[in-house]
Amino acid sequence: AQSVTQLDSQVPVFEEAPVELRCNYSSSVSVYLFWYVQYPNQGLQLLLKYLSGSTLVKGINGFEAEFNKSQTSFHLRKPSVHISDTAEYFCAVSDPSGAGGGNKLTFGTGTQLKVEL
Amino acid sequence: NAGVMQNPRHLVRRRGQEARLRCSPMKGHSHVYWYRQLPEEGLKFMVYLQKENIIDESGMPKERFSAEFPKEGPSILRIQQVVRGDSAAYFCASSPKSPGVGEQYFGPGTRLTVT
Repeated sequence: AQSVTQLDSQVPVFEEAPVELRCNYSSSVSVYLFWYVQYPNQGLQLLLKYLSGSTLVKGINGFEAEFNKSQTSFHLRKPSVHISDTAEYFCAVSDPSGAGGGNKLTFGTGTQLKVEL
Repeated sequence: NAGVMQNPRHLVRRRGQEARLRCSPMKGHSHVYWYRQLPEEGLKFMVYLQKENIIDESGMPKERFSAEFPKEGPSILRIQQVVRGDSAAYFCASSPKSPGVGEQYFGPGTRLTVT
């Protein structure tokens, strides 16, 4: 079975500072990896995804993530955050060989990013 | 192009009542997924449906829960005889007829409170 661990439940950071949100996964098979963002009272929005190929993935809003197979990690980074980045961020994993062709997602518990002035 | 619609946004039910949650996928989408988010937890997959078919219901509780996605109309998640432990946010997502991986578009969720 797959699982996702987001160790940091909250991450406070000052505006224009860099940020890294950590995500580790466990799986015995190859995986697809995702980061979603949830703004208050809204649904989740896909930030970026790793399916194969380059381990550095660039997403929307200036975010990027790096897939590290040996450390089973997929940390999300942004070099300079903005107040509007305040939201909850979810890491997710799926099994490419599973039902739905990799669309059945297993989510972490989320990290609340709070950007302060 | 309207996004995924869910209604109601908030639903309060007494223990023992039934809860019906509706999800209208994005136009042109024929795949629907339901997820549940319990307090302090991540989203948990419940069920994956295509029109008139349940593809994967491995995340659905064995009793009281059912889901459908009819040929016409929204997808319905039905919870019979609700209990306090059913209080959660329920999210629906949809994807196109031939979904690329991760191309799920999420609705704003229905927050169910059981009193």
